[in-house]
Amino acid sequence: RKEVEQDPGPFNVPEGATVAFNCTYSNSASQSFFWYRQDCRKEPKLLMSVYSSGNEDGRFTAQLNRASQYISLLIRDSKLSDSATYLCVVSTNAGKSTFGDGTTLTVKP
Amino acid sequence: GAVVSQHPSRVICKSGTSVKIECRSLDFQATTMFWYRQFPKQSLMLMATSNEGSKATYEQGVEKDKFLINHASLTLSTLTVTSAHPEDSSFYICSARGGGPNTEAFFGQGTRLTVV
Repeated sequence: RKEVEQDPGPFNVPEGATVAFNCTYSNSASQSFFWYRQDCRKEPKLLMSVYSSGNEDGRFTAQLNRASQYISLLIRDSKLSDSATYLCVVSTNAGKSTFGDGTTLTVKP
Repeated sequence: GAVVSQHPSRVICKSGTSVKIECRSLDFQATTMFWYRQFPKQSLMLMATSNEGSKATYEQGVEKDKFLINHASLTLSTLTVTSAHPEDSSFYICSARGGGPNTEAFFGQGTRLTVV
């Protein structure tokens, strides 16, 4: 089993749709959680950190459930520019980061 | 956000030669740098973690004698792919972090290596 598993995707949604991505992790010692966005042939960029209390940044909401070792990302009112691959990243206290395989989102007009 | 510069962005080399990739943090001191490899349609795979002034820690299955990592200063880490072979062709990307594991890691632009 992979350390970090994401929805296989791809997700193809119309503009304005709400879409949710899920991610599970197996290492209970994991301390930090992030969602990164990667555009085709580009480097990953931090979208948002994920906190136990949940956090929201505009149209994006991230949730963490430590008991279930589960992370989610919700995107509301999808834009064409949201099309990308979304990577779930889990880090231990030792600083080792493990990436999920990513979920590809395509938003269509 | 902070800037991490990776160079070169693309390199084509002959089989058997060595290639050096540089990763620089331009506006912060990177206490830890990470090197990843990404094959097409696959996830980023951590190759090694380096802390300034100490030897890199390699992930299982990554040959330390083939992928030489040097982190001589707080702003520069290099990855040298020695005796490159076509199967080493990949997207190599570094990231740098200035604080602890809860802090953001900033990524370089990546290097697309093609070995012919």
